[in-house]
Amino acid sequence: EAEVAQSPRYKITEKSQAVAFWCDPISGHATLYWYRQILGQGPELLVQFQDESVVDDSQLPKDRFSAERLKGVDSTLKIQPAELGDSAMYLCASSTSFSGNTIYFGEGSWLTVV
Amino acid sequence: QKEVEQNSGPLSVPEGAIASLNCTYSDRVSQSFFWYRQYSGKSPELIMSIYSNGDKEDGRFTAQLNKASQYVSLLIRDSQPSDSATYLCAVEAQKLVFGQGTRLTINP
Repeated sequence: EAEVAQSPRYKITEKSQAVAFWCDPISGHATLYWYRQILGQGPELLVQFQDESVVDDSQLPKDRFSAERLKGVDSTLKIQPAELGDSAMYLCASSTSFSGNTIYFGEGSWLTVV
Repeated sequence: QKEVEQNSGPLSVPEGAIASLNCTYSDRVSQSFFWYRQYSGKSPELIMSIYSNGDKEDGRFTAQLNKASQYVSLLIRDSQPSDSATYLCAVEAQKLVFGQGTRLTINP
């Protein structure tokens, strides 16, 4: 069964350092999402791509976060500089299109900022 | 008002009983509704989707949607200890928005 691949699974970083997460969606899925989930809360959408274009990044803290999907396939989410409040699980997900379709999550990347 | 609100937990149900999880949403143009299950430390997995008013059954799970009341629920019949997890309601209008989740514990 096809899966969304994410790496690294776990990352511990010091505050003010840079950190990056990588995601490879299910083959053929045009829509890719990055969500952040703080412990005890539901996932919050950070950015949504349709192919290589950003569809929604309204909740992305653009002063420190950036995301790209240059060739419309895999994607990278970067945080620089990391802050203590960034500690969370970063979930990548993909779907065939952006409306009404099931989205499939990767296993997530746990970030701890110390 | 939060876009998607779920009944506060945690919810504790005896094994074999019916677990009822509720969700309300604020955006009237929402068209797609989903229930995800999330085990501790794991990512969410889809268990039900519903798009039109009424009930949708899949095994022990039944999703109920009432667009007029902006309400969606999930019933789990014959609850099993393996159903113990956090259940996330997700609603799609322009984007998919998740509720905060309800933690469900099934007691043997």
